[in-house]
Amino acid sequence: DAKTTQPPSMDCAEGRAANLPCNHSTISGNEYVYWYRQIHSQGPQYIIHGLKNNETNEMASLIITEDRKSSTLILPHATLRDTAVYYCIVKPVDQTGANNLFFGTGTRLTVIP
Amino acid sequence: DTAVSQTPKYLVTQMGNDKSIKCEQNLGHDTMYWYKQDSKKFLKIMFSYNNKELIINETVPNRFSPKSPDKAHLNLHINSLELGDSAVYFCASARAGGERGYTFGSGTRLTVV
Repeated sequence: DAKTTQPPSMDCAEGRAANLPCNHSTISGNEYVYWYRQIHSQGPQYIIHGLKNNETNEMASLIITEDRKSSTLILPHATLRDTAVYYCIVKPVDQTGANNLFFGTGTRLTVIP
Repeated sequence: DTAVSQTPKYLVTQMGNDKSIKCEQNLGHDTMYWYKQDSKKFLKIMFSYNNKELIINETVPNRFSPKSPDKAHLNLHINSLELGDSAVYFCASARAGGERGYTFGSGTRLTVV
């Protein structure tokens, strides 16, 4: 069901920017790109989402290519607490609750001291 | 205040028993969900419930049934528990319209022995 492709794992040095790529070449015009993360033994946590413009919030930045076929999540200054599995998900705007979040295998990011 | 709370956090029970997991959200969200995360860490949608409309993932056995006494609660009942039901179960909620993020609970680790 997952319509995205992510590398299985990445490492990042503490204090450096973590850039997590995602391919979603079959994305439809009404589908948003969402990013979630799951820290060990916790529930998934929403990070950010976007449709076609780049987005930034207090947690991260989301860069979406002009053709919308790929995106990059940027954690500007990674900390040890950012070690987690990061999920990139495409999902349409949903009025009924029928179009749910389908999680793929994600990218396991390890922040190294 | 916890936004999405699940109880119990841990549940160990014998095969064949019937058990329930409770979920409550205080966010005023319209839609609630149950997800299952198995030992391989795949997160799979089980149910979504919105304005009394239940949408079921067709792969979920009918031993599993969600019960929603009101908009703030979506409980999960499991009959005749099997070893393969052992997993972490996450409850989540979202606002109707769906373009904003889902909020997940911290999970219930179910172990069937």
